[in-house]
Parts: sequence; structure tokens; C-alpha cells
Amino acid sequence: DGGITQSPKYLFRKEGQNVTLSCEQNLNHDAMYWYRQDPGQGLRLIYYSQIVNDFQKGDIAEGYSVSREKKESFPLTVTSAQKNPTAFYLCASRMTGGSGYTFGSGTRLTVV
Amino acid sequence: GQQVMQIPQYQHVQEGEDFTTYCNSSTTLSNIQWYKQRPGGHPVFLIQLVKSGEVKKQKRLTFQFGEAKKNSSLHITATQTTDVGTYFCAGWAGGYQKVTFGTGTKLQVIP
Repeated sequence: DGGITQSPKYLFRKEGQNVTLSCEQNLNHDAMYWYRQDPGQGLRLIYYSQIVNDFQKGDIAEGYSVSREKKESFPLTVTSAQKNPTAFYLCASRMTGGSGYTFGSGTRLTVV
Repeated sequence: GQQVMQIPQYQHVQEGEDFTTYCNSSTTLSNIQWYKQRPGGHPVFLIQLVKSGEVKKQKRLTFQFGEAKKNSSLHITATQTTDVGTYFCAGWAGGYQKVTFGTGTKLQVIP
């Protein structure tokens, strides 16, 4: 079955450490996205990529970094510069010109 | 920048009652999408509306796109406990604009 795999599901890190969240899709979608969701909140766009080796900042990119070396993969690094990193992180993909987003099951990051 | 607001933020209904959530954009949209997120889960795409005044139905769910393409609604008839979750709209203004998600409406159905 095609889909998006995010790993791990839960992640705990100490303050000051960088952490990388994995996102892999086998849907052959061109575009991939990272969203952050805080409790009771909507989705805020962190970064997105329309094609391999290219990506753009979203609305809350500060303290995050991404890469898109392969069409299937779009990892997100939460750096120590992110002031409040504890959140639910969602990866999504979409075919260019297509309809809705397909979301992964998310990673819950807790920084202590 | 583009803003998408949803009301209400929360809604508790008795099972069998109807439910409606409204989505309003600050700008005219090319299309609007609706998603459902179950508690502890991830958003799942429900539908996309493109045409002015468009109405689409999925079983007990009715989706409507306003004539001015700045607002939309989702109506659920005779709610069931399986309808519990948060419903998000997401609007795209076209061109190089990004999709903007609404703030969501959390639905609780009381058996």
C-alpha cells in the first residue's frame, strides 16, 4: 500500500540537542510538507518542497532545517535554536496539481 | 497574509443531532479542502471544492462552497459517535500562494 511513513511516533530529547524526524513516501508525489500542530491548534507550515533539491520556508521556519535529496524523503531537523520544540509534527505529500494532502501519522516530540 | 477562520472552535452535540462548521477566508479562494482528524490521529482528506456555489455530499456529510468563494461549510446530519474529531478546512488562493489551514472545529458527540 502507498503512503507516508513518519518515524519515530514518539521522540524525547534533552533541551539543546538537535533531532531529525524522518518522513518517507512511496506515493510518487512531487511535493512534500512539514506542519507543526500544538494542542488545540491548527496546522502551521514549517517547510515545503515542490521538487527534489529545492525547498521553501513556510510560516514558522525559524529553528528548523530540511533537505530533499530524494523524491521519497523529506527529513526535518529540529535544531537547538527552536525555542519551543515540543509539538506534534506532521509530514504530508501531494501530487502537483492534485487534490488533497496525504498525511503521515505524525511524530510527537517532547523536549525536556 | 491570508487568514482562514473556523467557527465554532468547539461543539458538543447529542448523538443524532446535526452539526455545522463554518470556514471564512480573508481572500477569495481557488479551492477549499476539508479534513478530519480523529483524536490522537492525523488529518485525513475528505473533499475538495472548486466551483462557486458548489455543493457536494458524502453520505451524511454535506460540503458547500460560497458564491463568492470566500467561505465554506460542512454539515453533518444525524451525528454518530464515529464523527468525533476535529474538522479542518484548508484554502488555496491560487498561483504561488500556500494552502492555509483553518483553526479547526472540535466535535464531541455525546451518546
